[in-house]
Amino acid sequence: ETGVTQTPRHLVMGMTNKKSLKCEQHLGHNAMYWYKQSAKKPLELMFVYSLEERVENNSVPSRFSPECPNSSHLFLHLHTLQPEDSALYLCASSQDRQSNTGELFFGEGSRLTVL
Amino acid sequence: RKEVEQDPGPFNVPEGATVAFNCTYSNSASQSFFWYRQDCRKEPKLLMSVYSSGNEDGRFTAQLNRASQYISLLIRDSKLSDSATYLCVVYFYNQGGKLIFGQGTELSVKP
Repeated sequence: ETGVTQTPRHLVMGMTNKKSLKCEQHLGHNAMYWYKQSAKKPLELMFVYSLEERVENNSVPSRFSPECPNSSHLFLHLHTLQPEDSALYLCASSQDRQSNTGELFFGEGSRLTVL
Repeated sequence: RKEVEQDPGPFNVPEGATVAFNCTYSNSASQSFFWYRQDCRKEPKLLMSVYSSGNEDGRFTAQLNRASQYISLLIRDSKLSDSATYLCVVYFYNQGGKLIFGQGTELSVKP
């Protein structure tokens, strides 16, 4: 069982809908991340939170809005998405943000389809 | 030029074969290197770190060539269970501490 859980696992939404993705980590880590994985493309880092503070936003459109209420939970709020936003959204955590140990613990992902 | 580049494959090999994947990176200041494994429709998981002197973990051997800016992963005696996508990951210290993922190389081991 993964130490990082994501819900929902699958989501289909229209372009005018508002939905949220949820991530919870049970590992006592201080950093959490949202990644986007599209077919045949590298993982794209979207947001980084360290000790509940957003430390990185990689030019992500404002239709994606992250929220980190505490060190164990991370949300990605979605509104007025586009079909090209359809992808697998992966949450990850690590002990600390700037770590060259390279170990990220990923959730199983939320597969999003935008119609 | 992509920061981390891999041959996407797929590599189709028979059981028992030896297969090697290469990965190149663009930033010579890169500090740390890793291989992740991602099974179909699952999340990526750390397979092994790559050390300057090269390192081995069972059937898996990782090598680093800093002069040529590439890393490699060798899998000996391939098993059906090795079928997955292998992601090359580079830690860039001079970008505020960022892990950059390659697009992955798909491996399919056939009976």
